[in-house]
Amino acid sequence: GAVVSQHPSWVICKSGTSVKIECRSLDFQATTMFWYRQFPKQSLMLMATSNEGSKATYEQGVEKDKFLINHASLTLSTLTVTSAHPEDSSFYICSARDSPQETQYFGPGTRLLVL
Amino acid sequence: AQKVTQAQTEISVVEKEDVTLDCVYETRDTTYYLFWYKQPPSGELVFLIRRNSFDEQNEISGRYSWNFQKSTSSFNFTITASQVVDSAVYFCALSEGGYSTLTFGKGTMLLVSP
Repeated sequence: GAVVSQHPSWVICKSGTSVKIECRSLDFQATTMFWYRQFPKQSLMLMATSNEGSKATYEQGVEKDKFLINHASLTLSTLTVTSAHPEDSSFYICSARDSPQETQYFGPGTRLLVL
Repeated sequence: AQKVTQAQTEISVVEKEDVTLDCVYETRDTTYYLFWYKQPPSGELVFLIRRNSFDEQNEISGRYSWNFQKSTSSFNFTITASQVVDSAVYFCALSEGGYSTLTFGKGTMLLVSP
């Protein structure tokens, strides 16, 4: 149990385009999901906390108009990188919290390359 | 403020050796959770263990074992008889009160050679 999927796993796009990443909890409901960014050989950096039915909470320094988050259901959260630029290239990972277990389970990640 | 320190940046061992990954945490809360995650080269973080602050019992799962000591604020992870497939980055993480965000350590890269 506790499986989280993420789609797409890889995306290459041109500068200026928008990219949407989906995060789904497959076998449990997640009131809260999280979006992280990870640079090579570094730890995970929390970008935002996504709560079902309400606005996401962004960490300091993360542009909410740049990284749009929608959590429309208990099993799906989306991250849209708007007007992507090369500096947005990174590994994006989502997680879903299984509340009874107080544990975050992570998706496989999405590697974004902006040309 | 909460903090997790993994002082070992990289560890290299030969297969079948035992290896211990250190994790030291800081928190002001009396209720908190500690976690270990494994990140293999594929990138996905794999959940290994969760331990709450009221349970100091050590845990063993196959070749994996964890030593939680509140007196030293440590939550160390030992792999017995390491295998090449154990090669990964291992992250220790802390959550205060259960419903807050995770604070990750910087991770320890474990390289197990044949």
